[in-house]
Amino acid sequence: GAGVSQSPRYKVTKRGQDVALRCDPISGHVSLYWYRQALGQGPEFLTYFNYEAQQDKSGLPNDRFSAERPEGSISTLTIQRTEQRDSAMYRCASSLIGGQGWDEQFFGPGTRLTVL
Amino acid sequence: ELKVEQNPLFLSMQEGKNYTIYCNYSTTSDRLYWYRQDPGKSLESLFVLLSNGAVKQEGRLMASLDTKARLSTLHITAAVHDLSATYFCAVEMDSNYQLIWGAGTKLIIKP
Repeated sequence: GAGVSQSPRYKVTKRGQDVALRCDPISGHVSLYWYRQALGQGPEFLTYFNYEAQQDKSGLPNDRFSAERPEGSISTLTIQRTEQRDSAMYRCASSLIGGQGWDEQFFGPGTRLTVL
Repeated sequence: ELKVEQNPLFLSMQEGKNYTIYCNYSTTSDRLYWYRQDPGKSLESLFVLLSNGAVKQEGRLMASLDTKARLSTLHITAAVHDLSATYFCAVEMDSNYQLIWGAGTKLIIKP
């Protein structure tokens, strides 16, 4: 079946603009994760959803970042009033169970965000 | 705070050689993941190690986990060019879903 998809794949925006990044997880996957990956580094956790519930948003850098998953499937990560330091690859992952059980996370191709 | 350290961060080797990548972590965990990332591509799951002493092998790659030493190794046997990539280990915090990632080991295998 189809893997995790993300859109757009590339986003260039001007400082101060809002952006919305979309993630479509693997069908049937309960858990959804957002990560940010800087060049040459490992992914950094941002937030986690179990179905539609946002279980943990401790990794969101500040209140300009928010995420939602209203119907327990597609998720949107929104960055308001973007700043140059927000430039990075934003990755989404989904897993079948998540939570207390071990569970393999499957990653999407990412959205490369560039803030000018 | 859980910290994950990989070494080396960069490795250049010849085809046919053996080498090991190390992943150390700072607090208790019994779940560790290895991922591969090709340039410009996404992260591909390689191994999931769930308990002390776990060993998994796929082709020329073998991963092991020692939870007492808080150490996982990824061993490459008779390397081939196609294995060139960046390899990440990620540790799951106890009773938690969060993965804490190492910085990655960039592996270049010269033909």
